Amino acid sequence: GDSVTQMEGPVTLSEEAFLTINCTYTATGYPSLFWYVQYPGEGLQLLLKATKADDKGSNKGFEATYRKETTSFHLEKGSVQVSDSAVYFCALSPNFGNEKLTFGTGTRLTIIP
Amino acid sequence: DGGITQSPKYLFRKEGQNVTLSCEQNLNHDAMYWYRQDPGQGLRLIYYSQIVNDFQKGDIAEGYSVSREKKESFPLTVTSAQKNPTAFYLCASSRPPPEAGGYGYTFGSGTRLTVV
Repeated sequence: GDSVTQMEGPVTLSEEAFLTINCTYTATGYPSLFWYVQYPGEGLQLLLKATKADDKGSNKGFEATYRKETTSFHLEKGSVQVSDSAVYFCALSPNFGNEKLTFGTGTRLTIIP
Repeated sequence: DGGITQSPKYLFRKEGQNVTLSCEQNLNHDAMYWYRQDPGQGLRLIYYSQIVNDFQKGDIAEGYSVSREKKESFPLTVTSAQKNPTAFYLCASSRPPPEAGGYGYTFGSGTRLTVV
C-alpha cells in the first residue's frame, strides 16, 4: 500500500537558518503530494502541493519539488522565523479511485530566536 | 467564506458518558473524515464517509460511532466503550475523486476532549 516517511523530529533551528524536512513516499502510479502545517492547538492547514513530477509547490517562503526519480518531496525554506514553529506533515493522494490521503507521522519544528 | 466548523473547541466528559462532537462544512464536499491525534503523535483515521448515508471504519473505529444524514454534517460520538478518549479530534472534508487527488483535504480547527 501507499506510505509516507518523514524525517523524525523534533527539529530545532536558530532564526534565519536553512530548513530541510525530508519526505519520501511509496505509491503506485502518479500521486499528488502535499505539505500541511499544524500550529499549536489548531487543525492542519495546507501549506503547498504538487500534482505531477517536477512540479514545485511554494508558499510563504517554503518550497518542495516533486521528484519521481527519488520518490521524494522535501520541504525547504531559506531563512526560518520563530513564527514557523509548528508540526509539518507530508501526505500523498492517489489520483484515481476512492483512496484516502496517506499522512506521514509529522515533524515538530522549533525555531529559537 | 467556505470552511469546516468543529464545535465545541474544548469538551469535558465524565467517565461512562457518551459525547458528540460536531463537524459542519459548507464547501459542498462529498467526503468527510474524522481523525484522532494524541500528544506528539500523528493522525489516526477513525471513520470516513464518501457520500451521504454511507460511512466506513478507519483504523481505530472501536468505541466511536458516526452518522451522515446530511452532506454538510458528520458528527462523531465518543461512546463509553472508548477506554482512552482524551485526545484532539480533527474533522476534514474533500472533493470526490478524481478531483480529490489534486486538492487534498480541508481541516477544521479541532475539538480537544478531556475525560474528567
